[in-house]
Amino acid sequence: LAKTTQPISMDSYEGQEVNITCSHNNIATNDYITWYQQFPSQGPRFIIQGYKTKVTNEVASLFIPADRKSSTLSLPRVSLSDTAVYYCLVGEGQAGTALIFGKGTTLSVSS
Amino acid sequence: GAVVSQHPSRVICKSGTSVKIECRSLDFQATTMFWYRQFPKQSLMLMATSNEGSKATYEQGVEKDKFLINHASLTLSTLTVTSAHPEDSSFYICSAHRGGSGELFFGEGSRLTVL
Repeated sequence: LAKTTQPISMDSYEGQEVNITCSHNNIATNDYITWYQQFPSQGPRFIIQGYKTKVTNEVASLFIPADRKSSTLSLPRVSLSDTAVYYCLVGEGQAGTALIFGKGTTLSVSS
Repeated sequence: GAVVSQHPSRVICKSGTSVKIECRSLDFQATTMFWYRQFPKQSLMLMATSNEGSKATYEQGVEKDKFLINHASLTLSTLTVTSAHPEDSSFYICSAHRGGSGELFFGEGSRLTVL
């Protein structure tokens, strides 16, 4: 399974756009890139998933360059409630296949 | 709303006793579920893959006789921590894919404290 590398922590202020980049140099052809958010004492929550180019949903955008060796999660106009740990995971995304978690990025949003 | 539910959310037990944690898929069938463990300020660590109707597959270093997994139906997997010790105190989280691919849903987690 492809290993991921993310910044350990990031700080931001309310209303700013936050971009968290993840490196996955050994990503395989069948692998998808998935981002999860986790609050203390809660299970991870799905944010967004993509294979290539750009994916956008109601909460975030995911940018994936052509070589797919990295990806960037973009959170527009963060609020205090976005303070959490964000995990970038790479895997086939198929039923029966577990996802392996890296260390994640702790995002702290201040007012 | 939640699509994967765990029970109990918190449990405290005495050292040497056994504790069972349930994981249910609420509106879908899951032939495979995954159990993770998370220590404070650390990431989730995959413990085992629970397969309906067959034996679970354990990750290296996870004692199968200590962490008993039963996946007796398509909507329920249970994790039993046998002869619990304080070092087993952790946050246990289960997950399952809904449908054939894509999003992996996680339960709310179960906080185990062994005294």
